Amino acid sequence: AQSVTQPDIHITVSEGASLELRCNYSYGATPYLFWYVQSPGQGLQLLLKYFSGDTLVQGIKGFEAEFKRSQSSFNLRKPSVHWSDAAEYFCAVDPRGTGANNLFFGTGTRLTVIP
Amino acid sequence: EPEVTQTPSHQVTQMGQEVILRCVPISNHLYFYWYRQILGQKVEFLVSFYNNEISEKSEIFDDQFSVERPDGSNFTLKIRSTKLEDSAMYFCASSDFGKGAGNTIYFGEGSWLTVV
Repeated sequence: AQSVTQPDIHITVSEGASLELRCNYSYGATPYLFWYVQSPGQGLQLLLKYFSGDTLVQGIKGFEAEFKRSQSSFNLRKPSVHWSDAAEYFCAVDPRGTGANNLFFGTGTRLTVIP
Repeated sequence: EPEVTQTPSHQVTQMGQEVILRCVPISNHLYFYWYRQILGQKVEFLVSFYNNEISEKSEIFDDQFSVERPDGSNFTLKIRSTKLEDSAMYFCASSDFGKGAGNTIYFGEGSWLTVV
C-alpha cells in the first residue's frame, strides 16, 4: 500500500545537538516531498521541499533534507537544535508530483528539546 | 509574505448543527484544499477544488460535507449536520500550481472544531 512512514513518534534531543528525523515513502514515481512543522496550537509551516535536481535541499530555520531515491527516504536534519525547534514535524508526499494534488502525510514526529 | 487565513480559529457546536468554516486562500492561487487533523492523528486530505468545482475528494468527504467559493476571495467548508467524530482541526490550503516552479501547498493556521 502507498504510504508515508515516520518511524519515530517522539524524539528528545539536547539543545545544540544534531537532529535527524526519518521519513520513508512507498510511491512508485518520484513524488514531490515536503517537510512541515507544527508548533502547539499552530498551523502547518513549510520547512522545505524537494521537486527535482539537487537531492540535498535547504529550508528555513537551518533545516535541510536529503532525498535518497534508492532508499525512498527524505530525512530531515539540523546540525544544532535550538529550544524553539520543539514541535511536531510532518513529512508529506505529493505522489503524482504535480503540485495540484493532495498531500499524504506521515503520522508525525514530536521533537522535545532539553536544555 | 502572503498567507492563507482561516476563520474562526475555534468553534464549539452542538451535534447536529451546521458549521461553516471560512478561508481566504492566497490571492493568485487557483487550487484550494481542506484537510483535517483529529487530535493526536495524522493530517488527512478531505477535498481539493479548482475552477469552481471539486477536483478530488477523499472517503472522509461524504454527503455531510460541501465546499464553495462564494466570491472571488473566500473558500468555505460546510458540515451539514455535525457529529462528535467531526471534532478536529480543519486546515485550509492553497497551491501555487501553474505559477512557475513553485507547486507548493500552503496551509492556514487551522480552525479547531469541537462538537459537543
